[in-house]
Amino acid sequence: GEEVAQTPKHLVRGEGQKAKLYCAPIKGHSYVFWYQQVLKNEFKFLISFQNENVFDETGMPKERFSAKCLPNSPCSLEIQATKLEDSAVYFCASSRQYYEQYFGPGTRLTVT
Amino acid sequence: KNEVEQSPQNLTAQEEEFITINCSYSVGISALHWLQQHPGGGIVSLFMLSSGKKKHGRLIATINIQEKHSSLHITASHPRDSAVYICAVTPYSGGGADGLTFGKGTHLIIQP
Repeated sequence: GEEVAQTPKHLVRGEGQKAKLYCAPIKGHSYVFWYQQVLKNEFKFLISFQNENVFDETGMPKERFSAKCLPNSPCSLEIQATKLEDSAVYFCASSRQYYEQYFGPGTRLTVT
Repeated sequence: KNEVEQSPQNLTAQEEEFITINCSYSVGISALHWLQQHPGGGIVSLFMLSSGKKKHGRLIATINIQEKHSSLHITASHPRDSAVYICAVTPYSGGGADGLTFGKGTHLIIQP
């Protein structure tokens, strides 16, 4: 498609539950990025992929966060045992190499 | 680690005013991005630049690599320009899937 698609738009989980977010990059884009926006303007880079390979995961809290981009499937970001501090908007972006990143509409995760 | 500083944090102006938002960063980069986040949360990439100047409609972005500084200008501002403008940088690492480091954004309100 011509837009980055993210599902669901909103997700509510009780503390300790699992959350799984999905991202379909733009067709032809081989790079996928996940970002976390906490509060209004604090963005944090989580992880990036080149096709199905993890490129950079330095931003991932590895004990509870994991991500995958498998061929012919949407990319996913999974949070095991969610905590209150995981409440945020999670944005996925995709790009071609060295080109601008196109952002999806985001998934708002609320942990209660 | 790259630090990205934006100024001002908040800016209220009258319609038709010329707007300037500034961004400075601390270490070498391969590209600088200007993003616009609408009140609804969607993020649009306005510019990606590594040198010189780019113009799109009423928007102009400039970058000075030696000074590690970029500016975003809006000419003949309009209430529909009201949004958060975010500066973000791609580190100079040679890869194609480097995550962005973001500034904290400038909240712009244009009053009619």
